[in-house]
Amino acid sequence: QLQLQESGPGLVKPSETLSLTCTVSGGSISSTSYYWGWIRQPPGKGLQWIGSFYYSGSTYYNPSLKSRVTISVDTSKNQFSLKLRSVTAADTAVYYCARRKIGPPYYFDFWGQGTLLTVSS
Amino acid sequence: EIVLTQSPATLSLSPGDRVTLSCRASQSVSTYLAWYQQKPGQAPRLLIYDASNRATGIPARFSGSGSGTDFTLTISSLEPEDFAVYYCQQRSDWPPITFGQGTRLEIK
Repeated sequence: QLQLQESGPGLVKPSETLSLTCTVSGGSISSTSYYWGWIRQPPGKGLQWIGSFYYSGSTYYNPSLKSRVTISVDTSKNQFSLKLRSVTAADTAVYYCARRKIGPPYYFDFWGQGTLLTVSS
Repeated sequence: EIVLTQSPATLSLSPGDRVTLSCRASQSVSTYLAWYQQKPGQAPRLLIYDASNRATGIPARFSGSGSGTDFTLTISSLEPEDFAVYYCQQRSDWPPITFGQGTRLEIK
């Protein structure tokens, strides 16, 4: 059974870099069948796609965050990571990692439970 | 960027009611639109993909329709567990993948 598990510090100071990791079990992030990515949700608000990667090395970012975001991959650990630089209070959110299939159903069909990241001094 | 606008923001209904939620795209997304359900403290769950296809394990009371810029999610008879927030999402033109702002279904 596929599982995605986010991990991170919980609290980051303004202007610092946020780092989160998604550990995937029950499936391989090197699969040709999926994109893997990050989505966030500020408290009480809607969903925002941050970015995704494909096993070939292609990465795709939300233009609104692209200057501050890097998604990297560690296939040996079956993990992928998110770095978001120069954070502000507006980056406080629950961060989800999720899988999106290349074929049907084409959308985010497996999600992690999410991890709350708070930006505060 | 394709903007998705959901309406209404909140609906107050009773179990057994039939409900239709709306999602309008700022430009055509063909049928490349999905619906998700999110309950408090949980990740979103995929309900409908490509406008009208139910995802694995989704009950038949959920149905989707539409194409181009106008889409609907219908729940034929609300069950108590259906009271949640519903989001639409497009994959037609990305990046970025975009979501609607959500419609909250609450119990009257």
